[in-house]
Amino acid sequence: QQQVKQSPQSLIVQKGGISIINCAYENTAFDYFPWYQQFPGKGPALLIAIRPDVSEKKEGRFTISFNKSAKQFSLHIMDSQPGDSATYFCAARGTYKYIFGTGTRLKVLA
Amino acid sequence: GAVVSQHPSWVICKSGTSVKIECRSLDFQATTMFWYRQFPKQSLMLMATSNEGSKATYEQGVEKDKFLINHASLTLSTLTVTSAHPEDSSFYICSARDQQGSYEQYFGPGTRLTVT
Repeated sequence: QQQVKQSPQSLIVQKGGISIINCAYENTAFDYFPWYQQFPGKGPALLIAIRPDVSEKKEGRFTISFNKSAKQFSLHIMDSQPGDSATYFCAARGTYKYIFGTGTRLKVLA
Repeated sequence: GAVVSQHPSWVICKSGTSVKIECRSLDFQATTMFWYRQFPKQSLMLMATSNEGSKATYEQGVEKDKFLINHASLTLSTLTVTSAHPEDSSFYICSARDQQGSYEQYFGPGTRLTVT
């Protein structure tokens, strides 16, 4: 019940395309859902986050869609660029700590 | 704002020695800091939660005598890997939670530990 399932494991997208990464959770006590971007050898960097009382949040090219009833949330990267090539992690906050998804390795082809 | 630093960024040590990694919140006070471990191409695994002035809380399966955590001030937490072995080689990442109680955790850049 503490898991966060993330898919796909890897994703290849053409430059200018839309990248979509999905996450699902079971624990309804989770109250905060951030997405992180991580480049090789670096720490995760916060991209965008959402709370469960909001169905969508957009920041620049990044959008989170949140479906509370389905216990699913997704990250959409519009106009994907080669510089977006990285590993993306979703997370869910339970009490004081984060539970991370397994990660999605995104490659954007030039 | 909300910058977390780690030192060193990478370290190589011999088997049997101990290594200390520092995690600092540079522009905010953090009552709570977290230590994660990440193996190549895997997700972040929470090792322990440290609270300023009290003992760390370790996740199940993490040896507290091997991974010593100290959170002596509101801006500094340290992780000491004692009697390191090659299987301890990993990427260690800390994060800090703002004292103001926001939901957000701010991550450090990570420390690459290689035990030979």
